[in-house]
Amino acid sequence: DGGITQSPKYLFRKEGQNVTLSCEQNLNHDAMYWYRQDPGQGLRLIYYSQIVNDFQKGDIAEGYSVSREKKESFPLTVTSAQKNPTAFYLCASSNKGRGNQPQHFGDGTRLSIL
Amino acid sequence: DQQVKQNSPSLSVQEGRISILNCDYTNSMFDYFLWYKKYPAEGPTFLISISSIKDKNEDGRFTVFLNKSAKHLSLHIVPSQPGDSAVYFCAASGFTSGTYKYIFGTGTRLKVLA
Repeated sequence: DGGITQSPKYLFRKEGQNVTLSCEQNLNHDAMYWYRQDPGQGLRLIYYSQIVNDFQKGDIAEGYSVSREKKESFPLTVTSAQKNPTAFYLCASSNKGRGNQPQHFGDGTRLSIL
Repeated sequence: DQQVKQNSPSLSVQEGRISILNCDYTNSMFDYFLWYKKYPAEGPTFLISISSIKDKNEDGRFTVFLNKSAKHLSLHIVPSQPGDSAVYFCAASGFTSGTYKYIFGTGTRLKVLA
């Protein structure tokens, strides 16, 4: 069954620690995205990638890093430079093309500070 | 500055009646508008979309209306069912920096009462 898988579901970060959130898709989608959701706010774009070995910053990329070494995988690292990392993180994928391509989302990772 | 706004954080409707969820936007350059539904502890799932050149799109119980002059769109669910209880996000897409990007609203929590 095709889909997009995020792990872990819950993650805790200590001060000064980098943590990596996993995102894998088997939908054969070219485009992948990372969003952050805070209470009372919409989804805000962190990074996106349209093709393997290429990615661009979204609206709130500071303190985050990504890689796209394989079409199926788009991991997000929350670095110690991100001073307010507590949030719900969503990964999505879609076909490339016009802006009506629906995004398929994973079930999210909730990151908290210890 | 929020380009896509959902001003009603919550809405309650009786089962069998119509649910109307509203969304306003500020950027007249958006090409497509999409609605997503989100259940607790799950990622959003795509519901329906509409092109900016149309004023209505229908899919079963779900209809989206677009009023470009008012920069307003709405999602109608008829008849509403208890399983429709979820958070609904509207999103707008526009072509920028060589790709389509999506701007999400803050969501409206719909509760359908049995």
